Amino acid sequence: EVQLVESGGGLVQPGGSLRLSCAASGFSFRSYWMSWVRQAPGKGLEWVANIKEDGSEKYHVESVKGRFTISRDNAKNSLYLEMNSLRAEDTAVYYCAREDRGFEYWGQGTLVTVSS
Amino acid sequence: VVMTQSPLSLPVTLGQPASISCRSSQSLVHGDGNSYLNWYQQRPGQSPRRLIYKVSNRDSGVPDRFSGSGSGTDFTLKISRVEAEDVGVYYCMQGTHGPFTFGQGTKLEIK
Repeated sequence: EVQLVESGGGLVQPGGSLRLSCAASGFSFRSYWMSWVRQAPGKGLEWVANIKEDGSEKYHVESVKGRFTISRDNAKNSLYLEMNSLRAEDTAVYYCAREDRGFEYWGQGTLVTVSS
Repeated sequence: VVMTQSPLSLPVTLGQPASISCRSSQSLVHGDGNSYLNWYQQRPGQSPRRLIYKVSNRDSGVPDRFSGSGSGTDFTLKISRVEAEDVGVYYCMQGTHGPFTFGQGTKLEIK
């Protein structure tokens, strides 16, 4: 059974940093692109970033470029999102998802709240 | 690529059909010949669940009352007979062009 379990969310002040993690199991993690997708409270879905199977290619949505960095550790079956210079508008539930030019599998999400 | 859904609110009587439209600002035909148009359902308080991939292919476990169609820039999700468990928000999403983008969502409710 495919499982994606996010962790690392919480309350952080504007300008602060946070590192999200996603533990994957039930499939060959190193064989798939992976993504982060977020959803602000009461709003729609927004793709944030993705990373190639071997980590050699990474892409981020314009609004987080220079502030967020996606990475992965295939030996640990884990996906990460390093978030710096956080803003109020980054407040959202962050989901990790297995990618196939779509997202068949999603985690349960982790809530990031940016507030003073 | 901008994805535009309509309607944004969809009240439906149980047992009746429902249809959601999704239009993209440019063609979703990829260089490999596929169109990466996906449909998702998000029930209240849950993570999104994919229903349809590559325009018309149902994901495993998705009831056959859900169907997808379309081509180029115009796509449709149809529910043949709405059931109570179908309440939630439906999103289209394109995976052809980077960055991947979602529609605004269509909220389906029971009349």
